[in-house]
Amino acid sequence: DGGITQSPKYLFRKEGQNVTLSCEQNLNHDAMYWYRQDPGQGLRLIYYSQIVNDFQKGDIAEGYSVSREKKESFPLTVTSAQKNPTAFYLCASSMLGLTDTQYFGPGTRLTVL
Amino acid sequence: AQSVTQPDIHITVSEGASLELRCNYSYGATPYLFWYVQSPGQGLQLLLKYFSGDTLVQGIKGFEAEFKRSQSSFNLRKPSVHWSDAAEYFCAGRDFGNEKLTFGTGTRLTIIP
Repeated sequence: DGGITQSPKYLFRKEGQNVTLSCEQNLNHDAMYWYRQDPGQGLRLIYYSQIVNDFQKGDIAEGYSVSREKKESFPLTVTSAQKNPTAFYLCASSMLGLTDTQYFGPGTRLTVL
Repeated sequence: AQSVTQPDIHITVSEGASLELRCNYSYGATPYLFWYVQSPGQGLQLLLKYFSGDTLVQGIKGFEAEFKRSQSSFNLRKPSVHWSDAAEYFCAGRDFGNEKLTFGTGTRLTIIP
């Protein structure tokens, strides 16, 4: 089955620790995205990548880092510099083109203890 | 600036009744508009999308949406809701040539018997 997988589904970390969220897609999509979702705020874009070894900051990139070493993978690291990291994180992917549509993974809920 | 507004935070509808969820956008001449649905703790599923052409768009699960340029609206409708439609609904949009998607803050739909 083609799709987007995110792991783990639930993640707990202590304050001051970095943590990496996984996102993999087998849809052969060019672009991948990371969003953060908080109650009542919709989705906010953290980072996106349109091609391997290249990525751009979104609206709330501070305290996060990404890499795009392979077309199918786009891991997100939540660093200790992120002041309020507890949230639901969603990964998405799309083809590149005038009518590209983003498709979403199941999400990872991160809780900082 | 590009924006998407969902004026209703929460809507309650009786099972079998009709539904309309509102979405207003602020974009340039050629907006691309989307509706997604999210069940609790899950990722987003695409319901329908509008790029151009016919202003009435059909989607999955019996949903439709109408693009009204004069009113800057893209409202989602369903003639008869089912208990399984209870979820959160997000409207999203982007301009022609812009890969970044902007989301509304969502409308939570509750279905009562």
